[in-house]
Amino acid sequence: QKEVEQNSGPLSVPEGAIASLNCTYSDRVSQSFFWYRQYSGKSPELIMSIYSNGDKEDGRFTAQLNKASQYVSLLIRDSQPSDSATYLCAVNIRGYSTLTFGKGTMLLVSP
Amino acid sequence: EAQVTQNPRYLITVTGKKLTVTCSQNMNHEYMSWYRQDPGLGLRQIYYSMNVEVTDKGDVPEGYKVSRKEKRNFPLILESPSPNQTSLYFCASSLGGRTEAFFGQGTRLTVV
Repeated sequence: QKEVEQNSGPLSVPEGAIASLNCTYSDRVSQSFFWYRQYSGKSPELIMSIYSNGDKEDGRFTAQLNKASQYVSLLIRDSQPSDSATYLCAVNIRGYSTLTFGKGTMLLVSP
Repeated sequence: EAQVTQNPRYLITVTGKKLTVTCSQNMNHEYMSWYRQDPGLGLRQIYYSMNVEVTDKGDVPEGYKVSRKEKRNFPLILESPSPNQTSLYFCASSLGGRTEAFFGQGTRLTVV
């Protein structure tokens, strides 16, 4: 099992819809969870961090964490074409000294 | 402005010609890493460093060298580049192993 797994997509949603991006991880004691957005050919940029079970909201973005299910998600409300990008999930995994990144989910928001 | 700076942004070189990609951060971060990113393979860690003079291999270290002589700098060295090292490279830094990573702008390397 890969340590951090994401569906590669693409996930296609119409403008104004809610996009839901999911990430599962292998380590039951992971404590730090991050979502990055990466536009094609650009560097990943941090958009959300979450450390406790439950929801964390920041503008149109909501991160949801369920440690019992080893699952973290990112909801994007009122999706815009400018949200079209690849979204990377990153988790601290035991045995690794730095964050472990998933391969990312490509999101396409159509006008 | 807090940032991670990589140079050069673009580089085309020939097989076997040694090259160095520089990375510098101004956030006093302990941790620094190098990644390569190829289509369909995601970010793959090449090397990382937890402090000055402390480096360790990541997932794909073959063909690369690094050094950490100063806290702010973490250069990536390709002593004899080959075409399979053509890729998009990112440097990242973080305060610790569990904290958010900040990425440089990327270096697109082509080896012909």
